[in-house]
Amino acid sequence: QQPVQSPQAVILREGEDAVINCSSSKALYSVHWYRQKHGEAPVFLMILLKGGEQKGHEKISASFNEKKQQSSLYLTASQLSYSGTYFCGTESTYNQGGKLIFGQGTELSVKP
Amino acid sequence: GAVVSQHPSWVICKSGTSVKIECRSLDFQATTMFWYRQFPKQSLMLMATSNEGSKATYEQGVEKDKFLINHASLTLSTLTVTSAHPEDSSFYICSARDRTGGRQPQHFGDGTRLSIL
Repeated sequence: QQPVQSPQAVILREGEDAVINCSSSKALYSVHWYRQKHGEAPVFLMILLKGGEQKGHEKISASFNEKKQQSSLYLTASQLSYSGTYFCGTESTYNQGGKLIFGQGTELSVKP
Repeated sequence: GAVVSQHPSWVICKSGTSVKIECRSLDFQATTMFWYRQFPKQSLMLMATSNEGSKATYEQGVEKDKFLINHASLTLSTLTVTSAHPEDSSFYICSARDRTGGRQPQHFGDGTRLSIL
């Protein structure tokens, strides 16, 4: 079952913050975050595992709330290069060979 | 970093033609590769999971006889769209996971834009 992302779209000014949420109705083993720019392939950002992990990479971080089966991606002090569509991919059971089901995406536009 | 190469980048062909798309992991061995289809402004829809040396596992609603998948080695998987029709036009993307397993991300190829006239 496809995870649900919110919001569907967001417009920011450079330097503003944003939060993208990803919710699943199934128990999750892991959540993967990707960013895709128009006409290009998705680029891996980070993986979060069950157990309430929180990870960060420069000004992009994420958390995974196992109780709620929800992950959130935090973008702080956004840059123009952050523009693109963000997808969460969820893995519901380990040993399914890494199969991911992707959310519908969140389109992020950062304006100068 | 992990690199996945996909070829060709784009294909334009006539209805009824079969089209073959290759997906290679260049610097790692991939026990499992995945094939996705993406329509404009939509999500990545998993079509099938390709396992080296065995039959692919197709998602519900994906025609096995139309989308033939072969994973002959740990670095190569191919998707053949047989007797393609205009409704098969889409962006097809492959991804691969390192065979070391564990908590490895999927690395995506650059995608193949398929247009059937």
